[in-house]
Amino acid sequence: SQQGEEDPQALSIQEGENATMNCSYKTSINNLQWYRQNSGRGLVHLILIRSNEREKHSGRLRVTLDTSKKSSSLLITASRAADTASYFCATDSFQGGKLIFGQGTELSVKP
Amino acid sequence: KAGVTQTPRYLIKTRGQQVTLSCSPISGHRSVSWYQQTPGQGLQFLFEYFSETQRNKGNFPGRFSGRQFSNSRSEMNVSTLELGDSALYLCASSWTGPAYEQYFGPGTRLTVT
Repeated sequence: SQQGEEDPQALSIQEGENATMNCSYKTSINNLQWYRQNSGRGLVHLILIRSNEREKHSGRLRVTLDTSKKSSSLLITASRAADTASYFCATDSFQGGKLIFGQGTELSVKP
Repeated sequence: KAGVTQTPRYLIKTRGQQVTLSCSPISGHRSVSWYQQTPGQGLQFLFEYFSETQRNKGNFPGRFSGRQFSNSRSEMNVSTLELGDSALYLCASSWTGPAYEQYFGPGTRLTVT
């Protein structure tokens, strides 16, 4: 079964708005990563947050991690049409070696 | 620096046949992981190789196998194909393993008829 579950499954916003996606996971983790996938192509790494970090920024991306709630959120600020894609969270356990993906959030940004 | 390449990009096979997919990682990367992506099951981890050794394996039947060569290139093989094996197969490479940033290839789209 999937380690991570994401919500919403789909999100449609206008350009310039912020998009927030949430991810929940089941077991203790080392790191949590976020990836983007454009229309059935390869995934692109966005950001990694370690289990001892609470917040991380990269450009227009802001990721938070709450290990007590086993959840993370990805915020994309001032969204653009080019941000239209599926976004996945992925976690690895303390045993390491396996990256477990959530089901993903499909983001549509309308111009 | 060249990215991760996968060949072939598209493949159509018949039930019962076998298939071999290839992945060339980014130069210097020793870890290669394979994933299966389907609409129903999402992205699922198949296995990971590091320096020619399989370090981790997902919950897939023995029909799914892989190997890694001394130049870090990797292949995965699926024998006795089933309709449910139709999927996008993605490989990813990294310096140390899946716990850190991975670089994905474009995938091989396998259709089993």
